[in-house]
Amino acid sequence: NAGVTQTPKFQVLKTGQSMTLQCAQDMNHEYMSWYRQDPGMGLRLIHYSVGAGITDQGEVPNGYNVSRSTTEDFPLRLLSAAPSQTSVYFCASSYSRGGSDYGYTFGSGTRLTVV
Amino acid sequence: AQTVTQSQPEMSVQEAETVTLSCTYDTSESDYYLFWYKQPPSRQMILVIRQEAYKQQNATENRFSVNFQKAAKSFSLKISDSQLGDAAMYFCAYRLDRGSTLGRLYFGRGTQLTVWP
Repeated sequence: NAGVTQTPKFQVLKTGQSMTLQCAQDMNHEYMSWYRQDPGMGLRLIHYSVGAGITDQGEVPNGYNVSRSTTEDFPLRLLSAAPSQTSVYFCASSYSRGGSDYGYTFGSGTRLTVV
Repeated sequence: AQTVTQSQPEMSVQEAETVTLSCTYDTSESDYYLFWYKQPPSRQMILVIRQEAYKQQNATENRFSVNFQKAAKSFSLKISDSQLGDAAMYFCAYRLDRGSTLGRLYFGRGTQLTVWP
């Protein structure tokens, strides 16, 4: 049981390049989300999903795409990287049973630098 | 819009003492969940404690407890017998218990806790 696995852990991109941040969970969680963390800003929601085939935008979705073809995977795509997307990115998953919410399990994060 | 406010960007405490971190939130909903997460220098986000809004009893996890005041929309975290390993950034977070927004966690900006030996 690996929890939430994010790859890569570090990445440097040039402005205009595209890339995909990978996120996989092996806990059969239905909810998955992507956040970015910037100094002094806390974590802000980029996109989220409540199940396979269902995604929705969060607070800061511009410049990012997601898809959820399976329960396990929730990749985040940067279409054309910009310096403003330099940040630490977290993927998280969660589930709810019987009306109880068990909080989110987070990946270890990806530090992305766009030059 | 749902907002979470942590009014203390930094706090410090002496080892073995008690410290309280503040959090307020803004919502018109009645069913929701509240969380405190800890982020040490390793960057890993660790769930410290959670509270269901429908429960009046304050949640407790070992040395960590909350003071949940629903009417005041306040959710403070008390750390008793502080240890050096408690030094971290602490985030308050909120999530609605409603189908259309399940999966959306709203975070405060964090409180950096320093523990002095």
